[in-house]
Amino acid sequence: AQTVTQSQPEMSVQEAETVTLSCTYDTSESDYYLFWYKQPPSRQMILVIRQEAYKQQNATENRFSVNFQKAAKSFSLKISDSQLGDAAMYFCAYRSAQGAQKLVFGQGTRLTINP
Amino acid sequence: EPEVTQTPSHQVTQMGQEVILRCVPISNHLYFYWYRQILGQKVEFLVSFYNNEISEKSEIFDDQFSVERPDGSNFTLKIRSTKLEDSAMYFCASGLSYNEQFFGPGTRLTVL
Repeated sequence: AQTVTQSQPEMSVQEAETVTLSCTYDTSESDYYLFWYKQPPSRQMILVIRQEAYKQQNATENRFSVNFQKAAKSFSLKISDSQLGDAAMYFCAYRSAQGAQKLVFGQGTRLTINP
Repeated sequence: EPEVTQTPSHQVTQMGQEVILRCVPISNHLYFYWYRQILGQKVEFLVSFYNNEISEKSEIFDDQFSVERPDGSNFTLKIRSTKLEDSAMYFCASGLSYNEQFFGPGTRLTVL
């Protein structure tokens, strides 16, 4: 079974600085998807970024980018120019590319932005 | 922008009672999911639903749980006889393809 681990329960960063959230996963599959979801205090999870395992290029979405290291099974999220609105719980998630549609989530990292 | 909605936002029930959690997925979506998050724990997959049938379910989703899409717009999760350990945040999600999942705001279920 696949597992996702986020080893940082909490992180904080100064506004306008850059922060990196870590995620590692375990799988025997070669084709899969990885996601970062943001869950603000209102508790609705929002998709931040998605990475297909077959793509070598790291995904980017504006200030959000990932560092996908397939061999190391690592998928970190970098937030540049942090803004107060980035404060949230961030979840890393895995989904198989074959059959199973379920998302397997990590424990989450609570990100605080200091003004 | 269309959103997944869930009602109620908070449900309190007595142990042994039946509860129905309601979700309205985004209107043209075809894939539907329920997840739950016990306080302080990971978000866990419960069930996925496509083409009017369950496509996958977890070990948590036992005979006490059922899902239904009764009218083409709502997607419900029923727990027949609630237990204390069913207390959690329940999230509905939907997607136009199996490649995406948009989450609702959740229903907090408290079993007393």
